[in-house]
Formats: sequence, structure tokens, C-alpha cells
Amino acid sequence: QSALTQPASVSESPGQSITISCSGTSSDIGSYDHVSWYQQHPGKAPKLMIYEVTRRPSGVSNRFSGSKSGNTASLTISGLQAEDEADYFCCSFAGTTWVFGGGTKLTVL
Amino acid sequence: QVQLVESGGGVVQPGGSLRLSCAASGFTFLSYGMHWVRQAPGKGLEWVAFIRPLGDEMYYADSVKGRLTISRDNSGSTLYLQMNSLRPEDTAIYFCAKDSTYWAFDYWGQGTLVTVSS
Repeated sequence: QSALTQPASVSESPGQSITISCSGTSSDIGSYDHVSWYQQHPGKAPKLMIYEVTRRPSGVSNRFSGSKSGNTASLTISGLQAEDEADYFCCSFAGTTWVFGGGTKLTVL
Repeated sequence: QVQLVESGGGVVQPGGSLRLSCAASGFTFLSYGMHWVRQAPGKGLEWVAFIRPLGDEMYYADSVKGRLTISRDNSGSTLYLQMNSLRPEDTAIYFCAKDSTYWAFDYWGQGTLVTVSS
């Protein structure tokens, strides 16, 4: 049950796009399309942004999109806005467990 | 609207026990699996445990297996986490989360802080 690997931090200017990677193994991301992404602002509970690799819950902006290739999943945020500044966590189902990434701090400059 | 409200956190000595509760409302509780997820201070998220809708199957992270037990009361729409043999590394905010039926966590509570310290 090793954590998925994410970059510790990314930063970009408003209006630009960023992609956060999430690297796993053939036991988690590589075996299941059950990858989800969460946004967490300081002191708040996480919020589901993407599930089943590419699907957005109702109410989540279409500026957020997800993809997967092999053992690596990605979250892309386009048209960055100040309120996107937060921590982002990926998660994958792994058979009978779930595993999270270490989290990526997004700074909108 | 879906609401999840955790309670029961506090300070406990190493080796001690604690029981967390999560009161659910706004959805048909007995139709959904439920999770506990924790977050150590300043750290990332760690999945802890999952229980199926009828409580007939549970899964645990290796780090808590044999010490933490997830259970549920469908008649009272409440999720529990019994925590025994607590260790300092169990110190974290514990969130309950509703399973989306797509192997994701679609609603979260506000969390309850557990501190294991002498």
C-alpha cells in the first residue's frame, strides 16, 4: 500500500493551464479506472473533483479534467483562477484498499 | 442535502482507546458504503477503512489492521470507528466519507481530531 507519487508543488499564472501527475503501479492505477481527484483548501474537508479517471461531479467546473495512461493519471486545470489555489490529491482503488497520493500544492501566482 | 458530522475525537495516551462516530443525514444511509480517511497534521490523506452498505464486509489499511474496527448502525444512520492500541502515529484528523458507488468519496464530514500523546 505505497502512496501514489505526485509533485509536491506546482505554480502558474492566472488564465494559464497546469497538469498534475499521479504515478502509481500495475496494482492500482494500472489495473483500475477508479482514479479520483480531490481539492482541499486549508482547514477544510476535501472535495471530489474527478472520479472514474475523467468524470466530473455535478457542480464542478469543466475547467477540471482528468486522464490516464498506463500507471499514471493526470489532472488538468485550465484557465487558472485564484480560487483554484489549494492542495490536490489523487486516489486509486487497489482491489480491497484505496491509496492516495502525497498531494500537490497549487499556487496561482 | 448530505451531511456527515463526526464526533468523539480527543486526547488519548498511547495504548488507549477511543470510539469515533459519524452521524449521516440527507441520503439513504443503508444504500451506500462508507469510509474513514485520516490526515496527520500538515500531511496528506490516508485511507483507513471501508464498510459495505449492509455491514457484511470491511476493508482496512495495513497500518490499522487489527487495531481499528469500522462498523455501522443503519437504523440510526451512524458510522463508527473503534480505535484500540492507539499509537502516536495515529494522531490525525479523522474524516468520514460517503462512497460514491464509483470507488470515490463524494461527501466528507468536517473531521474530528484525535491526538495520541502521553
